Amino acid sequence: GAGVSQSPRYKVAKRGQDVALRCDPISGHVSLFWYQQALGQGPEFLTYFQNEAQLDKSGLPSDRFFAERPEGSVSTLKIQRTQKEDSAVYLCASSLTRADLNTEAFFGQGTRLTVV
Amino acid sequence: GNSVTQMEGPVTLSEEAFLTINCTYTATGYPSLFWYVQYPGEGLQLLLKATKADDKGSNKGFEATYRKETTSFHLEKGSVQVSDSAVYFCALNSGNTPLVFGKGTRLSVIA
Repeated sequence: GAGVSQSPRYKVAKRGQDVALRCDPISGHVSLFWYQQALGQGPEFLTYFQNEAQLDKSGLPSDRFFAERPEGSVSTLKIQRTQKEDSAVYLCASSLTRADLNTEAFFGQGTRLTVV
Repeated sequence: GNSVTQMEGPVTLSEEAFLTINCTYTATGYPSLFWYVQYPGEGLQLLLKATKADDKGSNKGFEATYRKETTSFHLEKGSVQVSDSAVYFCALNSGNTPLVFGKGTRLSVIA
């Protein structure tokens, strides 16, 4: 596609529900990143994939958060037993090469998750 | 660890005014520095970047110079337009580390 696509754009979940957020990166991009952006804050790193390998998950806030990219393209961020503090915008970004080559990261519009 | 501190907003300017948004950083190694912009209803977009000391990044009339001695990367524009109204994020990465962002500065330009 032309850019990074995320779905859904908006998600309201009841506390305790599981949610799955999808990211379609730019075709052929090697690196994929997930970020969490709380209201009025900058994006905070969650996890990084190089192709299908999850090389860094140091930013995942708890074991309720899980991400996968099984075929090195589409990625899903899953949050189990959602809590109110999980309410945020979840951003996905992709870049053409490995992260250490510092090529430009392209961001999707994000999924706004509201836990009620 | 790596961190970015940028001036808090909101910043409100009249059209054609001069803009400065301050950004300072702490990093290990030799970071690359970025400014991202988020227009209303859109995703983050790279505005400009600099990869080594004394480099100047520029785009759409915006400029920022990588100052290693002051660990700064301040964003400037000589004459802002209403269409520049957005949230601006300073960011860095180094080596294999992911992008680290500042908290963002909201700019409103009024006609």
